[in-house]
Amino acid sequence: GNSVTQMEGPVTLSEEAFLTINCTYTATGYPSLFWYVQYPGEGLQLLLKATKADDKGSNKGFEATYRKETTSFHLEKGSVQVSDSAVYFCALSEGSNYKLTFGKGTLLTVNP
Amino acid sequence: NAGVTQTPKFQVLKTGQSMTLQCAQDMNHNSMYWYRQDPGMGLRLIYYSASEGTTDKGEVPNGYNVSRLNKREFSLRLESAAPSQTSVYFCASSAPDRRNTEAFFGQGTRLTVV
Repeated sequence: GNSVTQMEGPVTLSEEAFLTINCTYTATGYPSLFWYVQYPGEGLQLLLKATKADDKGSNKGFEATYRKETTSFHLEKGSVQVSDSAVYFCALSEGSNYKLTFGKGTLLTVNP
Repeated sequence: NAGVTQTPKFQVLKTGQSMTLQCAQDMNHNSMYWYRQDPGMGLRLIYYSASEGTTDKGEVPNGYNVSRLNKREFSLRLESAAPSQTSVYFCASSAPDRRNTEAFFGQGTRLTVV
């Protein structure tokens, strides 16, 4: 079956530091890939997505590139802010029923 | 523009009690989902409904039932709550476009079973 593995947290950074959160996946076909973000006390919201190999998703300074050869979708941001503190989930969707399979989440804390 | 609305936001149940979590979406989405979120486990799919009138089991369906009442509403029922069902529950919906499968989530229901 499908699975998503993302780096264990928590991750603590200082403001303006570079962020990478690794994500790799296992899927039988050609999934779409997503990063969702969950701010404290809220539901999940889509951060970015990529639907085919070599696509780059980007939003709010975050980027991730769909790498089919390494089955990866790593999240990066060049300069994090305190407001980026949240839990980040990597996810994939495949097949006719479009169910999402999530990684376990990575808690990011950015200190001023 | 409400999106996905879940009720209640918080609930405490005693072991053996029953309750229904309600979810409604106003985006005319065909597909709806129920997930539970537990520390260190990410989100796990309980049940989903690909369209009105259909429901299917997800990864962790035991102890739950669902009803797709109409296109807007998808409820989750715990018939006899157990402490292992203490969790945060999220409802989500998505459109059926194969390449645009973004899911929209509700704010969650924090359930404690004592």
